[in-house]
Amino acid sequence: NAGVTQTPKFRVLKTGQSMTLLCAQDMNHEYMYWYRQDPGMGLRLIHYSVGEGTTAKGEVPDGYNVSRLKKQNFLLGLESAAPSQTSVYFCASSYPTGLGTDTQYFGPGTRLTVL
Amino acid sequence: GQQVMQIPQYQHVQEGEDFTTYCNSSTTLSNIQWYKQRPGGHPVFLIQLVKSGEVKKQKRLTFQFGEAKKNSSLHITATQTTDVGTYFCAGDGGSQGNLIFGKGTKLSVKP
Repeated sequence: NAGVTQTPKFRVLKTGQSMTLLCAQDMNHEYMYWYRQDPGMGLRLIHYSVGEGTTAKGEVPDGYNVSRLKKQNFLLGLESAAPSQTSVYFCASSYPTGLGTDTQYFGPGTRLTVL
Repeated sequence: GQQVMQIPQYQHVQEGEDFTTYCNSSTTLSNIQWYKQRPGGHPVFLIQLVKSGEVKKQKRLTFQFGEAKKNSSLHITATQTTDVGTYFCAGDGGSQGNLIFGKGTKLSVKP
């Protein structure tokens, strides 16, 4: 049981390049999330998904797109990378239990640098 | 919009000293969660508080949820070097399953 995995772990892009970050979970969780973490800013939600085929915007969605074609995978795309998107990206997943807000399980993160 | 504020941003302590981080929300929360992130690692769930005035303990860690459900605290007694990391509180964001994270308190412990 690998939990939440993220690919790649590190990436360096040039301004204007595109890339896709892959998140996979093997816990059969319904909900998945993409966050970015910047120094002093905590975790900010980019996009999230409450089920296969559905996505929604979070706090900082601009410049990103997502897709959830399979329940276990959540993809984050950068169509034209900008230096402001240099950050550590975390994926998380959760299962709705109906008891409070569900615990989120985080992946190891992807460190992205845009030059 | 809803905000979750956390103080202090940084805390440096001598090993054996106590440590407390505080979390305040601009709105009433249905529950609050705490996460720990070790240096270079990812956030890991510690605990969830749901009831007004709730107090929970995990060994040297004590978590409290305020009576008005708008604030919370995490207290560590007699810190150890293994406590090093950033502690985040997170309140429910209203949307399905979403959390609003505080900016975290980074704890360093000097041996």
